[in-house]
Amino acid sequence: DVQMTQSPSTLSAFVGTRVTITCRASQSIGTWLAWYQQKPGTAPKLLLSKASHLESGVPSRFSGSGSGTEFTLTISSVHPDDFATYYCQQYVTSFPTFGQGTKVEVK
Amino acid sequence: QVQLQESGPGLVRPSETLSLTCTVSGVSMTNLYWGWIRQSAGKGLEWIGRTHSDGTKNYNPSLQSRVTISVDTSKNQFSLTLTSVTAADTAVYYCARDQRGEADYWGQGIQVTVSS
Repeated sequence: DVQMTQSPSTLSAFVGTRVTITCRASQSIGTWLAWYQQKPGTAPKLLLSKASHLESGVPSRFSGSGSGTEFTLTISSVHPDDFATYYCQQYVTSFPTFGQGTKVEVK
Repeated sequence: QVQLQESGPGLVRPSETLSLTCTVSGVSMTNLYWGWIRQSAGKGLEWIGRTHSDGTKNYNPSLQSRVTISVDTSKNQFSLTLTSVTAADTAVYYCARDQRGEADYWGQGIQVTVSS
């Protein structure tokens, strides 16, 4: 299995600040990485695929980068609507795996 | 627009079989993967498995002996069967469209509790 490790587990931020979440894979996954946002009581929402491809309708303040084993999700200026839990997911294998999640909370 | 909706019992007894159905609307199911993902209370996301419209399937190795995912494109539905359930299978179960591994459309989720 490809293990995905996110850091930090929790992040406190002021509205308007820049936020960066890191995701590390236990082996190289190229750019076969997705990022999801999940709010309490709702299904995850796909934000980015292929490490850096922004899905339709996702605000441009979200961006992704990285390849191989290290990836980042950046929110350039956090909006009130962005406080949520974020998950990375690798899909290079036929058994996709998720990171444990990063909760972004208001400071 | 693409919509997915899970249905099935919310309570399953230990050692019995969990069966869920996902109904898809707004898109053809052909030439795509359709999958199931679950989330235990306060926990992260666990990928269960997926099926292609052509019948190709992939399963989580830790669940493979108990899981079956099947598709019926004529009904625009796919289903999940999980046998010999225990309390550890209590979770919110999501169905999703699986593009190339990433899930771009999700159902709202269905809470399934395993309890006697």
